[in-house]
Amino acid sequence: DQQVKQNSPSLSVQEGRISILNCDYTNSMFDYFLWYKKYPAEGPTFLISISSIKDKNEDGRFTVFLNKSAKHLSLHIVPSQPGDSAVYFCAAALNTGNQFYFGTGTSLTVIP
Amino acid sequence: SQTIHQWPATLVQPVGSPLSLECTVEGTSNPNLYWYRQAAGRGLQLLFYSVGIGQISSEVPQNLSASRPQDRQFILSSKKLLLSDSGFYLCAWSAGSLNEKLFFGSGTQLSVL
Repeated sequence: DQQVKQNSPSLSVQEGRISILNCDYTNSMFDYFLWYKKYPAEGPTFLISISSIKDKNEDGRFTVFLNKSAKHLSLHIVPSQPGDSAVYFCAAALNTGNQFYFGTGTSLTVIP
Repeated sequence: SQTIHQWPATLVQPVGSPLSLECTVEGTSNPNLYWYRQAAGRGLQLLFYSVGIGQISSEVPQNLSASRPQDRQFILSSKKLLLSDSGFYLCAWSAGSLNEKLFFGSGTQLSVL
C-alpha cells in the first residue's frame, strides 16, 4: 500500500522556467516531509524539508509547500537549470522519527 | 562529520546464491539504520529499519533479512536469491529524533541472473 504518491512519473521544463513537482500522501499521522534528488546509480541527496506546523519552506531556488487538509505537498524550483535534471522523491516521516516513506519519484528534465 | 559506507557498489549473483550487503556509519552513535530497495521503474521501498543493536523491524515480507550486530553496522542478507531480488539497494541513517533527515549511502546495484 503506497502511502506516499507521486502521480507524475516525468516532467519536462524549459531552462529558466518554474518546475513544480507534486506529491500526495494518505496517512494523516505523517509529521515531517522531505524532498530528495537522485542521479542514476547514486544515493538520494537531501534537498529541503518541511514540518507539519508550517505551510511553506524556502531555500534558495527551492520552495516546498504543504497543504495538510488536502494531504498534498509540492516542490517548486525557480528558475530551473539543466543541472536540476534528476529523479525527485518526496518522503514523509511519522512523528516517531523512525520511519520514512517515499513516493515513486518524478523524473525531471530541464531542457536548455 | 558523519559518513556512511556501503559496499559493494555492483554485484552480480546467480539465482539461489546467498547475499550479504554491509553498511557502516561513522561519526555518530546510536543512529537509526535503514535498508531501502529501488526496483527498476519503481520508487524507494523501505525494507528494514533498526533503532538499536539487535532491533530490526521489517516492513514487507520477503526473501531478505537484516541484522545489526554492532551499533553502526547494518547487514542485509539472503540465503537464496531470487530473480525478483534484483534492484538498487540503499542503506541510510538518521539521528532518530523528530524532524531529522535521512542520509543515504551510495547504493549497491544487485543483478540476480
